[in-house]
Amino acid sequence: AQKVTQAQTEISVVEKEDVTLDCVYETRDTTYYLFWYKQPPSGELVFLIRRNSFDEQNEISGRYSWNFQKSTSSFNFTITASQVVDSAVYFCALRLNRDDKIIFGKGTRLHILP
Amino acid sequence: EPEVTQTPSHQVTQMGQEVILRCVPISNHLYFYWYRQILGQKVEFLVSFYNNEISEKSEIFDDQFSVERPDGSNFTLKIRSTKLEDSAMYFCASRGLVVAYEQYFGPGTRLTVT
Repeated sequence: AQKVTQAQTEISVVEKEDVTLDCVYETRDTTYYLFWYKQPPSGELVFLIRRNSFDEQNEISGRYSWNFQKSTSSFNFTITASQVVDSAVYFCALRLNRDDKIIFGKGTRLHILP
Repeated sequence: EPEVTQTPSHQVTQMGQEVILRCVPISNHLYFYWYRQILGQKVEFLVSFYNNEISEKSEIFDDQFSVERPDGSNFTLKIRSTKLEDSAMYFCASRGLVVAYEQYFGPGTRLTVT
């Protein structure tokens, strides 16, 4: 069965610190997609990144970076120089290529303290 | 930038009443979805819809739920007889033709059943 685990329920860091959100996924499929979504206090889901299973290149977008490692089935997300506006719940998610539903992790609530 | 819209943003209803949640997907998208998020929990897949029929549904999507695309632009989720446990945020999503494309989520409708 497919599963996404975000072991960190809640994290608090002081502004300008770096923070890494962990994500571990389970699937026996070889073709799949991994996602990160941000859910700010207003409630909407904001798409951050999609990675397919054949692309293990790490990605950087501004202060955000993602580390995809198939060997450990992990897709971790790092925010550098965190800002108060980064405070949100962050969801890691998985979708199989043969399927169309997104399987979400339970989310990590990130508090950035001023 | 095109976006998925949902109405209403918040709906309060009494137990046993019927509710219809409305979504306008991105105009050239062909695949439509509903997800649910009970307060403080993870986002869960309900149903996917393509070519005017349900392509997949979860065990949550029982006979009380139905979906419809009544015209070329709207996509609706109906709950026939609401229960207290139906209180949640309901997200609509849509995607384009290629399976690798990400699903774009609407802002959500918060349903409160009293």
